[in-house]
Amino acid sequence: KQEVTQIPAALSVPEGENLVLNCSFTDSAIYNLQWFRQDPGKGLTSLLLIQSSQREQTSGRLNASLDKSSGRSTLYIAASQPGDSATYLCAVLPFVGGGADGLTFGKGTHLIIQP
Amino acid sequence: GAGVSQSPSNKVTEKGKDVELRCDPISGHTALYWYRQSLGQGLEFLIYFQGNSAPDKSGLPSDRFSAERTGGSVSTLTIQRTQQEDSAVYLCASSTRYLAETQYFGPGTRLLVL
Repeated sequence: KQEVTQIPAALSVPEGENLVLNCSFTDSAIYNLQWFRQDPGKGLTSLLLIQSSQREQTSGRLNASLDKSSGRSTLYIAASQPGDSATYLCAVLPFVGGGADGLTFGKGTHLIIQP
Repeated sequence: GAGVSQSPSNKVTEKGKDVELRCDPISGHTALYWYRQSLGQGLEFLIYFQGNSAPDKSGLPSDRFSAERTGGSVSTLTIQRTQQEDSAVYLCASSTRYLAETQYFGPGTRLLVL
């Protein structure tokens, strides 16, 4: 059974710092990996999606990498801002089932950016 | 355009009652997913619909849970004889017909079973 782990569980850094969030998964047979952010009381917002054949994706100050063979992904946030404060979730879409299955999520990293 | 919408946004019910949760996916999205987010459990996948095809119900937590999708669009998740452990946020997501594409999530329904 696929398991997704996110480290650290919580992180608090001063504004302006660059930071890295880590995600690991136990089964490398995946279609893709997605990073989401969740604000308190809100749904999930998709940040980046990396297909299994890709190594990284970038959007603005965000860069996500994927090393499928080692079961790892990182989300890099450059020049952090207080508005980046949220819970960041990593999720994989398993290959088993032909993709006709749901995402398997990690428990998230709760990020606080101090002004 | 409009995103995924869910109703109600909040639902408080008594143990033993039935509840219905509704999801309206993004127009044109044929894939629809239900997830549950509860304290201590994180986000877990419940069920998936592709168009009008019959879903795989194996992810549903018990036989008190059922889901349907009418006309390949709106979906309802029904929980019969609710229990306190059913209290959670129920999230719906949709994506294009290609299953490996980005899933877009609705705001969720917060269910509290007293």
